[in-house]
Amino acid sequence: GENVEQHPSTLSVQEGDSAVIKCTYSDSASNYFPWYKQELGKRPQLIIDIRSNVGEKKDQRIAVTLNKTAKHFSLHITETQPEDSAVYFCAASDGTSYGKLTFGQGTILTVHP
Amino acid sequence: EPEVTQTPSHQVTQMGQEVILRCVPISNHLYFYWYRQILGQKVEFLVSFYNNEISEKSEIFDDQFSVERPDGSNFTLKIRSTKLEDSAMYFCASSDTSSGNTIYFGEGSWLTVV
Repeated sequence: GENVEQHPSTLSVQEGDSAVIKCTYSDSASNYFPWYKQELGKRPQLIIDIRSNVGEKKDQRIAVTLNKTAKHFSLHITETQPEDSAVYFCAASDGTSYGKLTFGQGTILTVHP
Repeated sequence: EPEVTQTPSHQVTQMGQEVILRCVPISNHLYFYWYRQILGQKVEFLVSFYNNEISEKSEIFDDQFSVERPDGSNFTLKIRSTKLEDSAMYFCASSDTSSGNTIYFGEGSWLTVV
């Protein structure tokens, strides 16, 4: 089955800096890669996703890049703000098993004012 | 914006007791899921459900677990005889092809087995 590795496990940045979180996946059939933000005790909330037919997607301060050959994808947050502090999870799905997302281990992002 | 809703938000139960967690998926969604997150760990897939039957399940979803869609709106997860290691946050989720298969999670039901 799919295996998703996520790094780093913790990331501490100063407000205004950029943050980058990286994930690798094992199943070359995976074609859908969402990123979720989870605040303490809350639901995972989708912040951006990318499908395998594109290499990059951007939404304001958030961008995701995908390298299918290397089987890795990354989340980039620019101009970080204290409210970006949360746990971020990457996930992968092969699209045929609808909703069967395999999650990474999560990254605790702390943005210091 | 439509949301997936779950009840209860928190339940404490004795080991060996049966628990039913309830979910109301987004109304026009046809795919339903349960995920689990043990405290401090990643979210794990349990089961997917479509067209009134299980589409796929993980190795976590053993004979102690069952799912049901008893009516047109609710989707339930039953744990027959709870164990201490079942203590976790259980998330219901739903999706549909009309939303690009984006998966929307509920707020979760925190289950504590004592």
